Amino acid sequence: QSALTQPRSVSGSPGQSVTISCTGTTNDVGGYKYVFWYQQHPGKAPQLILYDVTERPSGVPDRFSGSKSGNTASLTISRLQAEDEADYFCCSYAGSFTFVFGTGTKVTVL
Amino acid sequence: EVLLVQSGAEVKKPGESLRISCMASGYRFAEYWVAWVRQKPGMSPEFMGVVYPDDSDTKYSPSFQGQVTISAHRSLRSASLQWDSLKTSDTATYYCARGSEGLDYFDYWGQGTQVTVSS
Repeated sequence: QSALTQPRSVSGSPGQSVTISCTGTTNDVGGYKYVFWYQQHPGKAPQLILYDVTERPSGVPDRFSGSKSGNTASLTISRLQAEDEADYFCCSYAGSFTFVFGTGTKVTVL
Repeated sequence: EVLLVQSGAEVKKPGESLRISCMASGYRFAEYWVAWVRQKPGMSPEFMGVVYPDDSDTKYSPSFQGQVTISAHRSLRSASLQWDSLKTSDTATYYCARGSEGLDYFDYWGQGTQVTVSS
Protein backbone atom coordinates (compact mmCIF):
# COMPACT_ATOMS: atom_id res chain seq x y z
CA GLN A 1 0.00 0.00 0.00
CA SER A 2 1.56 3.31 -1.06
CA ALA A 3 1.61 6.31 1.23
CA LEU A 4 -0.82 9.12 0.46
CA THR A 5 0.84 12.01 -1.36
CA GLN A 6 1.27 15.33 0.39
CA PRO A 7 3.39 18.35 -0.56
CA ARG A 8 6.70 18.27 1.22
CA SER A 9 6.31 21.78 2.59
CA VAL A 10 4.03 24.81 2.63
CA SER A 11 4.58 28.19 4.18
CA GLY A 12 2.68 31.34 5.01
CA SER A 13 2.86 34.49 7.04
CA PRO A 14 0.94 34.95 10.28
CA GLY A 15 -2.70 35.63 9.56
CA GLN A 16 -2.63 34.00 6.14
CA SER A 17 -4.17 30.67 5.14
CA VAL A 18 -2.40 27.57 3.88
CA THR A 19 -3.90 24.43 2.38
CA ILE A 20 -2.34 20.97 2.42
CA SER A 21 -3.49 18.34 -0.06
CA CYS A 22 -3.54 14.60 0.53
CA THR A 23 -3.96 12.47 -2.57
CA GLY A 24 -4.73 8.79 -2.54
CA THR A 25 -6.81 6.37 -4.57
CA THR A 26 -10.31 4.96 -4.68
CA ASN A 27 -9.04 2.28 -2.30
CA ASP A 28 -8.46 4.75 0.49
CA VAL A 29 -9.22 8.51 0.40
CA GLY A 30 -11.71 8.24 -2.43
CA GLY A 31 -13.47 5.19 -1.06
CA TYR A 32 -14.20 6.22 2.52
CA LYS A 33 -15.16 9.27 4.58
CA TYR A 34 -12.59 8.23 7.18
CA VAL A 35 -9.78 10.68 6.50
CA PHE A 36 -8.07 12.28 9.45
CA TRP A 37 -5.24 14.70 10.06
CA TYR A 38 -2.50 14.95 12.68
CA GLN A 39 -0.23 17.71 13.82
CA GLN A 40 3.20 16.68 15.06
CA HIS A 41 5.75 18.96 16.66
CA PRO A 42 9.38 17.79 16.65
CA GLY A 43 9.99 14.98 19.09
CA LYS A 44 6.34 14.84 20.12
CA ALA A 45 3.52 12.39 19.57
CA PRO A 46 0.99 13.13 16.83
CA GLN A 47 -2.11 15.06 17.87
CA LEU A 48 -5.43 14.57 16.12
CA ILE A 49 -6.80 17.79 14.60
CA LEU A 50 -9.47 16.54 12.16
CA TYR A 51 -11.37 13.30 11.68
CA ASP A 52 -14.05 12.04 9.31
CA VAL A 53 -12.75 14.59 6.77
CA THR A 54 -14.25 17.67 8.42
CA GLU A 55 -14.79 17.05 12.12
CA ARG A 56 -12.69 18.73 14.81
CA PRO A 57 -12.01 17.09 18.19
CA SER A 58 -12.85 19.12 21.24
CA GLY A 59 -10.24 21.80 21.86
CA VAL A 60 -8.99 22.11 18.29
CA PRO A 61 -9.42 25.69 17.00
CA ASP A 62 -11.87 26.31 14.17
CA ARG A 63 -8.95 27.70 12.18
CA PHE A 64 -8.41 24.09 11.12
CA SER A 65 -10.85 22.82 8.51
CA GLY A 66 -11.03 19.92 6.10
CA SER A 67 -12.61 18.88 2.85
CA LYS A 68 -12.48 16.11 0.30
CA SER A 69 -13.05 15.83 -3.42
CA GLY A 70 -12.62 12.53 -5.16
CA ASN A 71 -9.31 10.97 -4.17
CA THR A 72 -7.92 14.15 -2.61
CA ALA A 73 -8.51 15.45 0.89
CA SER A 74 -7.37 18.86 2.06
CA LEU A 75 -6.53 20.57 5.32
CA THR A 76 -6.77 24.34 5.52
CA ILE A 77 -5.21 26.32 8.32
CA SER A 78 -6.70 29.81 8.48
CA ARG A 79 -5.32 32.80 10.37
CA LEU A 80 -1.94 31.11 10.60
CA GLN A 81 -0.15 31.41 13.95
CA ALA A 82 3.44 30.73 14.97
CA GLU A 83 2.33 27.73 17.03
CA ASP A 84 0.98 26.09 13.86
CA GLU A 85 4.52 25.47 12.64
CA ALA A 86 4.77 21.67 12.68
CA ASP A 87 4.53 18.57 10.53
CA TYR A 88 1.06 17.54 9.35
CA PHE A 89 0.06 14.04 8.27
CA CYS A 90 -3.12 12.81 6.73
CA CYS A 91 -4.34 9.27 7.22
CA SER A 92 -7.13 7.29 5.60
CA TYR A 93 -8.92 4.06 6.27
CA ALA A 94 -8.07 1.66 3.46
CA GLY A 95 -10.41 -1.23 4.14
CA SER A 96 -9.91 -4.56 5.93
CA PHE A 97 -8.82 -2.92 9.18
CA THR A 98 -5.88 -1.14 7.56
CA PHE A 99 -4.90 2.49 7.38
CA VAL A 100 -2.47 4.42 5.23
CA PHE A 101 -0.69 7.61 6.23
CA GLY A 102 0.39 10.51 4.08
CA THR A 103 3.98 11.46 3.30
CA GLY A 104 3.78 14.47 5.59
CA THR A 105 3.94 18.23 5.10
CA LYS A 106 6.10 20.68 7.00
CA VAL A 107 4.28 23.94 7.65
CA THR A 108 6.54 26.94 8.11
CA VAL A 109 5.25 30.20 9.51
CA LEU A 110 7.32 32.96 7.95
CA GLU B 1 -8.50 11.57 31.28
CA VAL B 2 -7.43 9.08 28.62
CA LEU B 3 -3.73 8.28 28.88
CA LEU B 4 -1.51 5.87 27.01
CA VAL B 5 1.90 5.49 28.63
CA GLN B 6 4.55 3.55 26.74
CA SER B 7 7.63 1.76 28.00
CA GLY B 8 11.03 3.41 27.75
CA ALA B 9 13.63 3.59 25.02
CA GLU B 10 15.44 0.40 24.05
CA VAL B 11 18.84 -0.29 22.50
CA LYS B 12 19.23 -3.78 21.09
CA LYS B 13 21.48 -5.81 18.81
CA PRO B 14 20.33 -7.47 15.59
CA GLY B 15 18.79 -10.86 16.28
CA GLU B 16 17.68 -10.01 19.79
CA SER B 17 14.05 -10.16 20.90
CA LEU B 18 12.07 -7.27 22.31
CA ARG B 19 8.65 -6.46 23.71
CA ILE B 20 7.46 -2.91 24.25
CA SER B 21 4.28 -2.00 26.07
CA CYS B 22 1.49 0.55 26.22
CA MET B 23 -0.42 1.03 29.48
CA ALA B 24 -3.89 2.53 29.17
CA SER B 25 -5.96 4.42 31.71
CA GLY B 26 -9.00 6.65 31.85
CA TYR B 27 -11.35 4.57 29.70
CA ARG B 28 -12.79 1.08 29.30
CA PHE B 29 -9.67 -0.53 27.87
CA ALA B 30 -11.35 -3.69 26.63
CA GLU B 31 -13.79 -1.83 24.40
CA TYR B 32 -11.45 0.12 22.13
CA TRP B 33 -9.00 -1.08 19.51
CA VAL B 34 -5.33 -0.24 20.14
CA ALA B 35 -3.10 0.42 17.16
CA TRP B 36 0.66 0.38 16.72
CA VAL B 37 2.35 2.81 14.37
CA ARG B 38 5.98 2.94 13.28
CA GLN B 39 7.76 6.18 12.44
CA LYS B 40 11.31 6.12 11.16
CA PRO B 41 13.41 9.29 11.53
CA GLY B 42 12.29 11.95 9.10
CA MET B 43 9.62 9.70 7.62
CA SER B 44 5.86 9.51 7.75
CA PRO B 45 4.13 7.11 10.13
CA GLU B 46 3.26 3.56 9.05
CA PHE B 47 0.29 1.61 10.32
CA MET B 48 1.36 -1.77 11.72
CA GLY B 49 -1.80 -3.31 13.10
CA VAL B 50 -4.52 -3.23 15.73
CA VAL B 51 -5.69 -5.38 18.62
CA TYR B 52 -9.09 -5.50 20.34
CA PRO B 53 -8.40 -6.15 24.02
CA ASP B 54 -11.79 -7.65 24.80
CA ASP B 55 -11.15 -10.78 22.74
CA SER B 56 -7.55 -10.21 21.53
CA ASP B 57 -8.70 -10.08 17.92
CA THR B 58 -5.68 -8.80 15.97
CA LYS B 59 -5.37 -7.37 12.48
CA TYR B 60 -2.03 -6.69 10.79
CA SER B 61 -1.00 -4.49 7.93
CA PRO B 62 0.28 -6.77 5.15
CA SER B 63 3.67 -5.02 5.44
CA PHE B 64 4.06 -6.14 9.06
CA GLN B 65 2.30 -9.51 9.04
CA GLY B 66 4.78 -12.11 10.27
CA GLN B 67 7.33 -9.47 11.26
CA VAL B 68 5.89 -8.53 14.66
CA THR B 69 3.36 -9.77 17.18
CA ILE B 70 0.70 -7.47 18.58
CA SER B 71 -1.15 -8.51 21.72
CA ALA B 72 -3.20 -7.16 24.61
CA HIS B 73 -3.63 -8.14 28.23
CA ARG B 74 -7.09 -7.12 29.27
CA SER B 75 -6.70 -7.32 33.05
CA LEU B 76 -3.39 -5.43 32.98
CA ARG B 77 -4.84 -2.77 30.65
CA SER B 78 -1.78 -3.16 28.48
CA ALA B 79 -1.03 -3.69 24.82
CA SER B 80 2.30 -4.99 23.52
CA LEU B 81 4.39 -5.06 20.37
CA GLN B 82 6.94 -7.86 20.12
CA TRP B 83 9.81 -8.88 17.89
CA ASP B 84 11.44 -12.31 17.95
CA SER B 85 14.53 -11.27 16.00
CA LEU B 86 15.24 -7.58 15.49
CA LYS B 87 16.83 -6.10 12.38
CA THR B 88 18.66 -2.81 12.04
CA SER B 89 15.78 -1.69 9.82
CA ASP B 90 13.48 -1.90 12.87
CA THR B 91 15.14 1.22 14.27
CA ALA B 92 12.29 3.69 14.70
CA THR B 93 9.91 5.30 17.16
CA TYR B 94 6.85 3.19 17.83
CA TYR B 95 3.56 4.69 18.95
CA CYS B 96 0.48 3.06 20.37
CA ALA B 97 -2.81 4.81 19.75
CA ARG B 98 -6.40 4.26 20.76
CA GLY B 99 -8.90 3.62 18.01
CA SER B 100 -12.09 5.64 18.06
CA GLU B 101 -15.45 3.94 18.50
CA GLY B 102 -15.98 2.26 15.17
CA LEU B 103 -12.22 2.48 14.48
CA ASP B 104 -12.58 5.49 12.18
CA TYR B 105 -9.41 7.17 13.43
CA PHE B 106 -6.91 7.17 16.28
CA ASP B 107 -7.83 9.70 18.94
CA TYR B 108 -5.26 9.33 21.73
CA TRP B 109 -1.59 8.51 21.30
CA GLY B 110 1.17 7.30 23.57
CA GLN B 111 4.36 9.31 23.90
CA GLY B 112 6.31 6.89 21.69
CA THR B 113 9.05 4.34 22.35
CA GLN B 114 12.38 4.80 20.61
CA VAL B 115 13.87 1.48 19.51
CA THR B 116 17.47 1.44 18.27
CA VAL B 117 18.89 -1.73 16.74
CA SER B 118 22.61 -1.60 16.13
CA SER B 119 25.51 -3.97 16.24
